[in-house]
Amino acid sequence: QKEVEQNSGPLSVPEGAIASLNCTYSDRGSQSFFWYRQYSGKSPELIMFIYSNGDKEDGRFTAQLNKASQYVSLLIRDSQPSDSATYLCAVIGPSGSARQLTFGSGTQLTVLP
Amino acid sequence: AAGVIQSPRHLIKEKRETATLKCYPIPRHDTVYWYQQGPGQDPQFLISFYEKMQSDKGSIPDRFSAQQFSDYHSELNMSSLELGDSALYFCASSPRGNNEQFFGPGTRLTVL
Repeated sequence: QKEVEQNSGPLSVPEGAIASLNCTYSDRGSQSFFWYRQYSGKSPELIMFIYSNGDKEDGRFTAQLNKASQYVSLLIRDSQPSDSATYLCAVIGPSGSARQLTFGSGTQLTVLP
Repeated sequence: AAGVIQSPRHLIKEKRETATLKCYPIPRHDTVYWYQQGPGQDPQFLISFYEKMQSDKGSIPDRFSAQQFSDYHSELNMSSLELGDSALYFCASSPRGNNEQFFGPGTRLTVL
């Protein structure tokens, strides 16, 4: 079992809709959670991070964390065609452990005009 | 705002050759990470440096080595290159006391 699991998609939503991306992780002690956006052939771009249970909003993006369920999600409101990309969920392990990111396999999102 | 700089952006090598990839972190970032991303795969952690000392090691082959210099830039040295080393190599940096990692544009290595 992969440490970080994502629905691989592809996920298609119409322009203006809400896109919902989900991620689960296996290490219950994980402390830090990130969402990266990656366009084909480009580098991952950090769009959201969340450390505490609950919701965190930044513009059209909302990250949700539920540590009890070991679940992280990303909501993109008013989706635009420019949001079409692969979204990578990434996790850093328990406090005091190594700080490298462990990535999920990514969810490919297509926003249809 | 300044970003992570990587060079070269593209590199073509033959099997068994060596390659050196360079990374210049965002100013005042004290930690550098190297990741490898094969075609259709997610990025895999290779190695990291904190304050010029190796801090963590991931799935880095023994043929690869890396270091961080006094100006905080880092170099990834790859020897005896194999076809399977063809990938995107990303460097990321994070500021002191902070877990957010910012990625450079990457180096695309092709081994023929």
